[in-house]
Amino acid sequence: RKEVEQDPGPFNVPEGATVAFNCTYSNSASQSFFWYRQDCRKEPKLLMSVYSSGNEDGRFTAQLNRASQYISLLIRDSKLSDSATYLCVVRRTGGGNKLTFGTGTQLKVEL
Amino acid sequence: EPEVTQTPSHQVTQMGQEVILRCVPISNHLYFYWYRQILGQKVEFLVSFYNNEISEKSEIFDDQFSVERPDGSNFTLKIRSTKLEDSAMYFCASSEVGGRATDTQYFGPGTRLTVL
Repeated sequence: RKEVEQDPGPFNVPEGATVAFNCTYSNSASQSFFWYRQDCRKEPKLLMSVYSSGNEDGRFTAQLNRASQYISLLIRDSKLSDSATYLCVVRRTGGGNKLTFGTGTQLKVEL
Repeated sequence: EPEVTQTPSHQVTQMGQEVILRCVPISNHLYFYWYRQILGQKVEFLVSFYNNEISEKSEIFDDQFSVERPDGSNFTLKIRSTKLEDSAMYFCASSEVGGRATDTQYFGPGTRLTVL
């Protein structure tokens, strides 16, 4: 089983739509959780960290369910500029702060 | 806003040659990392470095790879004898130390390595 699993997509949605991405992780020792955004051939950029029961940042809401080892990202009122690949990332307890990335979910927002 | 920088942006080399990829982490950061991403695949951890030594390394980071902080600002990744399968985008990242600050890793724009 992959350590971090995501639906690769692509998700094609119209502007203004609400879209949700899901992610599961297999290592129960995972401690910290993140959503990164990656544009084509660019570096990953931190979108939001997900701690305890989750958090909201503007149009973006992230949820964490430790019991189910499940993380989600909700994007409301999607915009053309939201088109990117969204990476689910986990960091486990201990070690050298290694981040483990999912393969990413591709989002295309269309007119 | 402070950022991680990397040079060169693109490096082309012949199989068997040595390459050095350079990174300048954010100035007050003390934890440094290298990741790689083969085209079309996920981002993979290579190594983390703190207090002038490797904190953790992955299975990918074999004897062909080494890292160094030669001075107070640079952080380098050396591949001694490149293979075709080393062709990838190599990202440097850095973070602060302590609690949640350590969690947030900032990535550089990457060096695209092409091995012919």
